[in-house]
Amino acid sequence: AQKITQTQPGMFVQEKEAVTLDCTYDTSDQSYGLFWYKQPSSGEMIFLIYQGSYDEQNATEGRYSLNFQKARKSANLVISASQLGDSAMYFCAMREGGGNQFYFGTGTSLTVIP
Amino acid sequence: EPEVTQTPSHQVTQMGQEVILRCVPISNHLYFYWYRQILGQKVEFLVSFYNNEISEKSEIFDDQFSVERPDGSNFTLKIRSTKLEDSAMYFCASSEAAVLRTEAFFGQGTRLTVV
Repeated sequence: AQKITQTQPGMFVQEKEAVTLDCTYDTSDQSYGLFWYKQPSSGEMIFLIYQGSYDEQNATEGRYSLNFQKARKSANLVISASQLGDSAMYFCAMREGGGNQFYFGTGTSLTVIP
Repeated sequence: EPEVTQTPSHQVTQMGQEVILRCVPISNHLYFYWYRQILGQKVEFLVSFYNNEISEKSEIFDDQFSVERPDGSNFTLKIRSTKLEDSAMYFCASSEAAVLRTEAFFGQGTRLTVV
């Protein structure tokens, strides 16, 4: 089974609107961490936001927030007030408590339309 | 802001040749990783390295791959005899610790093209 599933290969959003990028995960660990990374066309991977499995509050970082639904094993990224510079690939990733590698999803390509 | 640097940014090599991809992790980080991303596909874990030894490796990381930290600052990935399917973007990453909430910082990647 895939550890991380991102079902939206591509998404479009109007500038200044909010968008939700979906991520579901699969783990039997009780302790795990969920991460979102942004990959612009230049190729680097930029860390955006983190959610721990024991965190009671949804994580927020500026315009980024994470809609964490533990029972559903989902960790969707919400970008508010989209900007043209948000156009990029977005990867959801997980680290399990027993190891230190990151498992990545296949990514979602977000295009912000002016 | 400290960053992970990788060289070269692009390498073209002939099938069967050896390549060495170089990385300088962030200086106070203790955990180092190599990932690869075949064009249009997901980022795949290759290997993690801590305390001068491999701590985890994936099925992809077979005998043709090796990693080394030769001088306390560089972290290298060697592919002994490259194959066409090794063509990918290779990312080096480092993290301060292996605790859950510690993110990995990624370099800009080396695009390897095997011809």
